[in-house]
Amino acid sequence: NAGVTQTPKFQVLKTGQSMTLQCAQDMNHEYMSWYRQDPGMGLRLIHYSVGAGITDQGEVPNGYNVSRSTTEDFPLRLLSAAPSQTSVYFCASSYSWGMNTEAFFGQGTRLTVV
Amino acid sequence: SQQGEEDPQALSIQEGENATMNCSYKTSINNLQWYRQNSGRGLVHLILIRSNEREKHSGRLRVTLDTSKKSSSLLITASRAADTASYFCATDQAAGNKLTFGGGTRVLVKP
Repeated sequence: NAGVTQTPKFQVLKTGQSMTLQCAQDMNHEYMSWYRQDPGMGLRLIHYSVGAGITDQGEVPNGYNVSRSTTEDFPLRLLSAAPSQTSVYFCASSYSWGMNTEAFFGQGTRLTVV
Repeated sequence: SQQGEEDPQALSIQEGENATMNCSYKTSINNLQWYRQNSGRGLVHLILIRSNEREKHSGRLRVTLDTSKKSSSLLITASRAADTASYFCATDQAAGNKLTFGGGTRVLVKP
């Protein structure tokens, strides 16, 4: 059971480039989310999804797009990378929402924008 | 601003001592969760306490929740060097499908 898998683990982008961070879970979880973590700080919610075909914005959505075409996958797209998007990105999933369930996290993607 | 705020931001103790950290939040919640993050790794769920619960135990962990004060505490008893990590509280807000994290407490357990 792989849990939540994020790829790549590390990425360096030039300002203005675009890329997609991949997230996949094999636990049949309905709820998935993306966070960013900046040095010495907690996690800030970027986007989340309560099921296939449904996405919504979190606390810091600007500059990011998401889609949820399947239950398993929840990719995060950076449209035009900026140095302010240098961060560690975490994907998380949970069985459902409002049912008092824990979140499972991937190992993170460390992104540097130069 | 973030929903949860941990206090202290950093904590240094000797192996065998207890570590206590606190979390305050702003809005009504369904539950409050604590997570651990080892350096450079993802977060690992430790314990979940529901809004109608006041105290919960799991091994060497004890969590309390006071909804009237909108605060929670995490106690790690008989700490070990392996407990060195950052600890985050996260609130499942009553309004909205969001798990919101605090800034974390960095705990260093010295052998």
